[in-house]
Amino acid sequence: GENVEQHPSTLSVQEGDSAVIKCTYSDSASNYFPWYKQELGKGPQLIIDIRSNVGEKKDQRIAVTLNKTAKHFSLHITETQPEDSAVYFCAASRADSSYKLIFGSGTRLLVRP
Amino acid sequence: DAGVIQSPRHEVTEMGQEVTLRCKPISGHNSLFWYRQTMMRGLELLIYFNNNVPIDDSGMPEDRFSAKMPNASFSTLKIQPSEPRDSAVYFCASSFGTGGDEAFFGQGTRLTVV
Repeated sequence: GENVEQHPSTLSVQEGDSAVIKCTYSDSASNYFPWYKQELGKGPQLIIDIRSNVGEKKDQRIAVTLNKTAKHFSLHITETQPEDSAVYFCAASRADSSYKLIFGSGTRLLVRP
Repeated sequence: DAGVIQSPRHEVTEMGQEVTLRCKPISGHNSLFWYRQTMMRGLELLIYFNNNVPIDDSGMPEDRFSAKMPNASFSTLKIQPSEPRDSAVYFCASSFGTGGDEAFFGQGTRLTVV
């Protein structure tokens, strides 16, 4: 089955710097890759996603890149702000009848003011 | 829409007792998921319903766990009997479609079994 590995487990950056979180997946049939942000005491919330027919997607300060050949994808946050501090999860799934969203282990991001 | 609604938010129970967690998905969504989150195992998919029918329950840890979805607006996850190792945060999520669509998560139920 699918396995998603996420690195690093913790990341501390200075406000204004960039943060990069990387994930690799094992199932070459996976074609949907969302990123979720989880704040303390809340459920995960989707912040950006990418599908396998696209190599990069941007939404303001957030971008995601996908390398299907290498089976890895990354989240890039630019101009980080203290409110970006949270746990971030990557995930992968196959958009077919065997749908199952498999999550990475999470990255705790701390943005220092 | 108020989003995915879970109840209770917190549950403390004694080992051996039955626990029922409840979920109301977003209106119009036809897929519902139950996840369990622990420090050791992260976010694990327990069961997935599509159009009220269980599609994949391979993540349900053992027979003590059961889930139902009697209609499109309500689902339950039951643990009977509960054990201390069941302590975790249980999330319900819903989405429109069978895959490749945003899953919206509820606030979760923090279960503590003592």
